[in-house]
Amino acid sequence: ETGVTQTPRHLVMGMTNKKSLKCEQHLGHNAMYWYKQSAKKPLELMFVYSLEERVENNSVPSRFSPECPNSSHLFLHLHTLQPEDSALYLCASSLGTAVDTGYTFGSGTRLTVV
Amino acid sequence: TQLLEQSPQFLSIQEGENLTVYCNSSSVFSSLQWYRQEPGEGPVLLVTVVTGGEVKKLKRLTFQFGDARKDSSLHITAAQPGDTGLYLCAPRKEYGNKLVFGAGTILRVKS
Repeated sequence: ETGVTQTPRHLVMGMTNKKSLKCEQHLGHNAMYWYKQSAKKPLELMFVYSLEERVENNSVPSRFSPECPNSSHLFLHLHTLQPEDSALYLCASSLGTAVDTGYTFGSGTRLTVV
Repeated sequence: TQLLEQSPQFLSIQEGENLTVYCNSSSVFSSLQWYRQEPGEGPVLLVTVVTGGEVKKLKRLTFQFGDARKDSSLHITAAQPGDTGLYLCAPRKEYGNKLVFGAGTILRVKS
């Protein structure tokens, strides 16, 4: 248990479904992130929230919609996904923006789009 | 876009052997972190290096940040099966809190 909890751990969804991934941290961190991890590819940063405000969106398709209702919770809403969106989706949090700040990751949600 | 290369991509060794993995770039970084990711889990922070030439030790793991802060290495002495995992280097840009992750080195230590 890292202090960052992601649910569900596994998700299988059809291309016409709507689902949401949830991330929760009670570490007192003020920044939260969504990453996508596909096989044989580097971690891809999707979204960054700092103090509940989205500060970065790395050209992510609109079928992915993040939400950060408060500093402890982060959601990723999914709709009309494609099979190539199947991947491990990782949430992370951090405290501050100092150069030595580390990220705490959740265990991820393994998403399969059929 | 900065080019970040980790090598080797995959390494399979016997228990007790030593190994070194590398993280190289043409860019200068303000700091660099190493993470280990085990199957089915998220990455876990191992170390942060900030100063050029800095060396940090974590039990059997030795981390070094290049003098020019463009590269880093991780050396493991007497590898154990528990060291098996994906080792990711993550340098940080000069400004902001954004980490860039390399593709990683997959290490498998056989008993």
